[in-house]
Amino acid sequence: QLQLQESGPGLVKPSETLSLTCAVSGGSISSSSYFWGWIRQPPGKGLEWIGTVYYLGTTYYNTSLQSRLTISADTSKNQFSLKLSSVTAADTAVYYCARIVRAGIIDYFDYWGQGTLVTVSS
Amino acid sequence: QLVLTQSPSASAALGASVRLTCTLSSGHSSSSIAWHQQQPQKGPRYLMRLDSDGSHRKGDGIPDRFSGSSSGAERYLTISSLQSEDEADYYCQTWASGIWVFGGGTKLTVL
Repeated sequence: QLQLQESGPGLVKPSETLSLTCAVSGGSISSSSYFWGWIRQPPGKGLEWIGTVYYLGTTYYNTSLQSRLTISADTSKNQFSLKLSSVTAADTAVYYCARIVRAGIIDYFDYWGQGTLVTVSS
Repeated sequence: QLVLTQSPSASAALGASVRLTCTLSSGHSSSSIAWHQQQPQKGPRYLMRLDSDGSHRKGDGIPDRFSGSSSGAERYLTISSLQSEDEADYYCQTWASGIWVFGGGTKLTVL
């Protein structure tokens, strides 16, 4: 059974960089069948796609976050990571990592992590 | 622009059926979507992928009570024999050219 587990600081100061890692177990991120993605959910709001990485390094970013965002994959550790710089209170959210099936006519999320709350506050 | 539109809320009685709708924006009426369920205080869970011809592929362990169908630009999620644990937020999701999009979600209340 595939499992994804987010980890990282739960509290980040304004203007600093938010860093999260998603550890994948029960499957390899080095598969041509999948992408790996980050999604966030501000308190009381809906889901927002942040960005996606392929194990060879190709990335896709939400244009609204692109200037502050870096997503990377580490195949040796079977994990992928998110860095969001210059954070503000608007970046406070539960952050989820997920696997994305590359199905041709649609690429969709099929396994999700449990999520981790990141609060931006001084 | 690729946009998914969902009604903010829906309700139905315990044991009844309910159909939730996700509408694709103009020019994307043939796109496939995925449905996800988010129970209170939990992470999302993949329910199914749904294509424009109504064919769908469910995730592991998703009960037969959950089904999908399509008509034009609308994609439906039908839940029959509603149970209390079906009370949740339901999100549709699609993809186009390296952009992933979620609908705003529908909060389902089981009465």
